[in-house]
Amino acid sequence: AIRMTQSPSSLSASTGDRVIITCRASQSIRNYLAWYQQKPGKAPQLRIYDASTLQSGVPSRFRGSGSGTEFNFTISSLQSEDFATYYCQQYYSYPRTFGQGTKVEIK
Amino acid sequence: EVQLVESGGDLVQPGGSLRLSCAASGFTFRSYAMNWVRQGPGKGLEWVSTISGSGESPYYADSVKGRFTISRDNSKNTLYLQMNRLRAEDAAIYFCAKDGEREILNAFDVWGQGTIVTVSS
Repeated sequence: AIRMTQSPSSLSASTGDRVIITCRASQSIRNYLAWYQQKPGKAPQLRIYDASTLQSGVPSRFRGSGSGTEFNFTISSLQSEDFATYYCQQYYSYPRTFGQGTKVEIK
Repeated sequence: EVQLVESGGDLVQPGGSLRLSCAASGFTFRSYAMNWVRQGPGKGLEWVSTISGSGESPYYADSVKGRFTISRDNSKNTLYLQMNRLRAEDAAIYFCAKDGEREILNAFDVWGQGTIVTVSS
């Protein structure tokens, strides 16, 4: 199974900050990587797919980059509604696997 | 509006069985692969199973293989997860999720709200 490793596991940031989350795959997944946002008690929501394509309706302050084994998820200017947990996921092969999550908290 | 609504979660004893359902609406259900993803208490997301639009080619996580069966009824726009020989570690919120627009290699673009499975004596 392809292992997905996210860093950091958590971070504290202020509104307006730039936030970067990294996801590393244990082998190449080309660009078959998604980023999801999950708020407490809610279902995950797709934010980025194919490593860098913004899901419809998602604000442009969210950005994804990378290919192969190294990927980044960036929020250019953190807003209050962005405080949540973020997961990366590979869909290049089965079993589909998720990173362990990065919790973005208010500083 | 595309919508997924799970049901069937309950409290069940270890070794017991449960069938989850996911009712889909707002899209051509038969045209999309569907997935089950679970989240244990305070834990991250774990993919459980995927089934193609036609109902063929199911895939399972090793942790549930041989105990869980994914299926679908395209005439009812409903996805199912039959869970047998349940263990304490199967306790989780179970989400159904729709595959994206390509025939293969898709992210999960729509999720249901989840249904809670508790395994305890």
